[in-house]
Amino acid sequence: DTGVSQNPRHKITKRGQNVTFRCDPISEHNRLYWYRQTLGQGPEFLTYFQNEAQLEKSRLLSDRFSAERPKGSFSTLEIQRTEQGDSAMYLCASSLARGLETQYFGPGTRLLVL
Amino acid sequence: DQQVKQNSPSLSVQEGRISILNCDYTNSMFDYFLWYKKYPAEGPTFLISISSIKDKNEDGRFTVFLNKSAKHLSLHIVPSQPGDSAVYFCAASESGATNKLIFGTGTLLAVQP
Repeated sequence: DTGVSQNPRHKITKRGQNVTFRCDPISEHNRLYWYRQTLGQGPEFLTYFQNEAQLEKSRLLSDRFSAERPKGSFSTLEIQRTEQGDSAMYLCASSLARGLETQYFGPGTRLLVL
Repeated sequence: DQQVKQNSPSLSVQEGRISILNCDYTNSMFDYFLWYKKYPAEGPTFLISISSIKDKNEDGRFTVFLNKSAKHLSLHIVPSQPGDSAVYFCAASESGATNKLIFGTGTLLAVQP
């Protein structure tokens, strides 16, 4: 059983550049979530997909952020025109849709914007 | 508005003793509660969960207690081991909606040999 994987694990970029992260969920899971974690805080919800449909976006997700899950399998999160405040750990989680569902997290992508 | 609160930023216990981590919530619509363990530079690892229809769930050394009237849950680890040293996050969700998790700010547990 392979868990959730995320790539890259680390990304350093200059302010103003675009970055894209990838998440591969557990294969039979139809729900996929993106969270962001900054130092000293718990993960904060960004957006989620059920299959290929993006069903909710947090107000934390500014216009510079976009997420896709084109075939209901892997997902990408893109940040355009990065800012220093975007520096954080970006976490992906997946789950099987049912009444009480447990989300399983990937290792995260740590982004540093210089 | 912090809907899930972990008021103890850190906790230190001796190996073999009990560790008790606490969590409070404000949203009465939450009906599923989870504990995750996190090491630095890794993603959270699921530990144990409890639904709102129960008041206790046990899995090996880990037990979670839920007091709905007080909107309080706790994680007990017995006996504590040095490998348990990590940050522990409490999370809550409301089923039937997005099931997005609302996390507390975490408690750093240090188990001393």
